[in-house]
Amino acid sequence: AQSVTQLGSHVSVSEGALVLLRCNYSSSVPPYLFWYVQYPNQGLQLLLKYTSAATLVKGINGFEAEFKKSETSFHLTKPSAHMSDAAEYFCAVRTGGTSYGKLTFGQGTILTVHP
Amino acid sequence: EAQVTQNPRYLITVTGKKLTVTCSQNMNHEYMSWYRQDPGLGLRQIYYSMNVEVTDKGDVPEGYKVSRKEKRNFPLILESPSPNQTSLYFCASTPSDRAGEGYTFGSGTRLTVV
Repeated sequence: AQSVTQLGSHVSVSEGALVLLRCNYSSSVPPYLFWYVQYPNQGLQLLLKYTSAATLVKGINGFEAEFKKSETSFHLTKPSAHMSDAAEYFCAVRTGGTSYGKLTFGQGTILTVHP
Repeated sequence: EAQVTQNPRYLITVTGKKLTVTCSQNMNHEYMSWYRQDPGLGLRQIYYSMNVEVTDKGDVPEGYKVSRKEKRNFPLILESPSPNQTSLYFCASTPSDRAGEGYTFGSGTRLTVV
């Protein structure tokens, strides 16, 4: 079975500050990990994904995430927050095989950016 | 443009009145899935389909039906909606069961059952 836990349902930062959104996963097989962003009244947009090629993954809008197998983590970071980053962020895990490629999501983290 | 299209975007209905939410993708993807999003619970899978005429239950299938008669379409059917099905629904598709592929999501359908 696979699962994802996002630590912190709400994160608030000042514009220009570091953004850190935490994600821990559980999987009995090598996982593929994703971060999605959801802007208000919109669908989910893929930010970045880890597919075992490199542990540090760069995505769109200046975001990046590092896969740490020893910590079972895939935290999302951005060096300097912008007002336009305010959104809800979802970490997700996907494995193949008998799970038929099911994508399992964490509970989501709402990011607020203050001027 | 490659996309997943859901209709309607917003729907208010009454308890017990059958409804269908349509989903169509133009990317020739094999895998399609329905999710519901509720505050604090993230997205939970309702049903998924691996190809035409092949569907299976996800984590929260009770009260829902699906069908996959054509590769591009994957409608979600609520035979007798209840207030606990008030939620935001997303349809998604992906090329295959290769786990490294991401899903493409529709814009969502916000359903209210009164």
